[in-house]
Amino acid sequence: EVHLVESGGGLVKPGGSLRLSCVASGFNFSSYSINWVRQAPGKGLEWVSCISSSGSYIYYGDSVKGRFTISRDNAKNSLYLQMNSLRAEDTAVYFCARAPHVGDAFDFWGQGTVVTVSS
Amino acid sequence: DIQMTQSPSSLSASLGDRVTITCQTNQEIRIFLNWYQQKPGEAPKLLIYEGFNLETGVSSRFSGGGSGTHFTLTISNLRPEDVGTYYCQRYDNLPPKYTFGQGTKLEIK
Repeated sequence: EVHLVESGGGLVKPGGSLRLSCVASGFNFSSYSINWVRQAPGKGLEWVSCISSSGSYIYYGDSVKGRFTISRDNAKNSLYLQMNSLRAEDTAVYFCARAPHVGDAFDFWGQGTVVTVSS
Repeated sequence: DIQMTQSPSSLSASLGDRVTITCQTNQEIRIFLNWYQQKPGEAPKLLIYEGFNLETGVSSRFSGGGSGTHFTLTISNLRPEDVGTYYCQRYDNLPPKYTFGQGTKLEIK
């Protein structure tokens, strides 16, 4: 059975940093591109970043470019999101979601981890 | 920049009804949209990919269509479990990015 489990969320002050993780099981992690998608309280979905299966291609949404860094460790079936210079508007549930290739639909999602940026 | 507008923002319909959700772009796009369902408190779930392809395990009451600038998600024979918010999504190559529609909240009358 496919599983994506996010962790690392929490309460952080503006300007602070946080590192999210997403651990995969039940499928060949190294064959899929993986994305981060976030949802602010009561709002819609916003794509944050994606990384290709090998890690060779990385893309970011405009709102996080230069502040967030996506990475993966295929040996550990794990995806990461290093979030720096956090702002109140980064408060959201962060989901990881897989796609067969960059550009494809997201065919499986984790349950999300909550990030709150507040003083 | 291609703008995408999803409508309506909310929708109330009766059991057994057929409903249609639309995503429109301000320029013709040579790709097809994906559609997701998100139930309250849950992660989104893929329903339709590349315009009209039904994801494995999804009810055939869901169907996708359209091309160019106008794309649709249709739900037939509305059931209580269809309550939730629906999103369209597209991918652009230049620059590489995904964009979601604003969402449509579906309720049962």
